Amino acid sequence: GAGVSQSPSNKVTEKGKDVELRCDPISGHTALYWYRQRLGQGLEFLIYFQGNSAPDKSGLPSDRFSAERTGESVSTLTIQRTQQEDSAVYLCASSLQLYNEQFFGPGTRLTVL
Amino acid sequence: KNEVEQSPQNLTAQEGEFITINCSYSVGISALHWLQQHPGGGIVSLFMLSSGKKKHGRLIATINIQEKHSSLHITASHPRDSAVYICAVSSMDSNYQLIWGAGTKLIIKP
Repeated sequence: GAGVSQSPSNKVTEKGKDVELRCDPISGHTALYWYRQRLGQGLEFLIYFQGNSAPDKSGLPSDRFSAERTGESVSTLTIQRTQQEDSAVYLCASSLQLYNEQFFGPGTRLTVL
Repeated sequence: KNEVEQSPQNLTAQEGEFITINCSYSVGISALHWLQQHPGGGIVSLFMLSSGKKKHGRLIATINIQEKHSSLHITASHPRDSAVYICAVSSMDSNYQLIWGAGTKLIIKP
């Protein structure tokens, strides 16, 4: 079966532009998570979705970051007015339910020039 | 003090050696995860465990809840095992959020 997929795999953008990152979770997984990993650093939690519950946005670093999820399917992470410090690998993971094992996508490497 | 600590930070070994990576945590947990991150950045979940021991191929993970300690073992190590191994816990206080260790960078030389 298909795993978690993310697109694009690489994105280079200019400072100030908006970017949209996409995550397709494993079918049937109700929980979806976004993480960020800056070069040489650990993973940083951004946001999670569980079913139809309101997402927990506590990890979003600023109001330039937002995310949406359509039902229990695809999710998009949007970064507005990108800054150089937004350069990182953005990882998406999904799990069958909360507290279950998380399966990670390959990530999107974002470079802001 | 970090809530999840791994040791060693870096480990270089020869092909065939038995590898042990340790993880200690200071919070109450619902589960402990071992993940593998290859140089390209992709992350693979190796184990999720809340008690005892799990084995998958040449990989073995153990956890001692009383001692708040887990180990990841690799038998008959191979250069393709070279990666960063990350320990993360699901804390009873943080619900779904994983608390991450800093990772152990493993290099297996042929």
